[in-house]
Amino acid sequence: SQTIHQWPATLVQPVGSPLSLECTVEGTSNPNLYWYRQAAGRGLQLLFYSVGIGQISSEVPQNLSASRPQDRQFILSSKKLLLSDSGFYLCAWSVGVVGTEAFFGQGTRLTVV
Amino acid sequence: AQSVTQPDIHITVSEGASLELRCNYSYGATPYLFWYVQSPGQGLQLLLKYFSGDTLVQGIKGFEAEFKRSQSSFNLRKPSVHWSDAAEYFCAVGAGGVTPLVFGKGTRLSVIA
Repeated sequence: SQTIHQWPATLVQPVGSPLSLECTVEGTSNPNLYWYRQAAGRGLQLLFYSVGIGQISSEVPQNLSASRPQDRQFILSSKKLLLSDSGFYLCAWSVGVVGTEAFFGQGTRLTVV
Repeated sequence: AQSVTQPDIHITVSEGASLELRCNYSYGATPYLFWYVQSPGQGLQLLLKYFSGDTLVQGIKGFEAEFKRSQSSFNLRKPSVHWSDAAEYFCAVGAGGVTPLVFGKGTRLSVIA
């Protein structure tokens, strides 16, 4: 069966520090991969998605970037964190067409101080 | 582009009472529709989905939802709520193809004794 791993579960980082969140999927090949951010009262905001290695679509221009170095690995990064980057970050995957059901990881709570 | 509206930010129901969470979507063609549930600090779990066919779909945990094209709605229902149903619920719409799911802002459900 397919599983998705996302780490770390919680992270406290100072303003201006770098960020790297990792997500890996097991049990499937060539998944579509997504990064969402969830802020209180604002629902899920799609940040990036990828349909293949090295293919990244950015939905919202901001202080973050994403990379997909391997088929089942998706990384969210920042060179310098801002206070506004605080939130709950969720990785998800799907197969087939992108606009079908997605399966989520357990999320990373990022607090920028 | 698709959009989703969940009109209720927070709903409180008594244990054993019936539940209906509202979801309205905007999309020109037949959408793919989903309901997800999120417990505090956790990822999202898929409750049910509608792609085509019978407009009343059954999901996990005793939930069901009805697709009404004329009202552009996909409301989630449960006949008898349990305390463990307290969580946040998200409606999502997909167009298939290369466009990722679009989520509503969520409805937080509280269950009282």
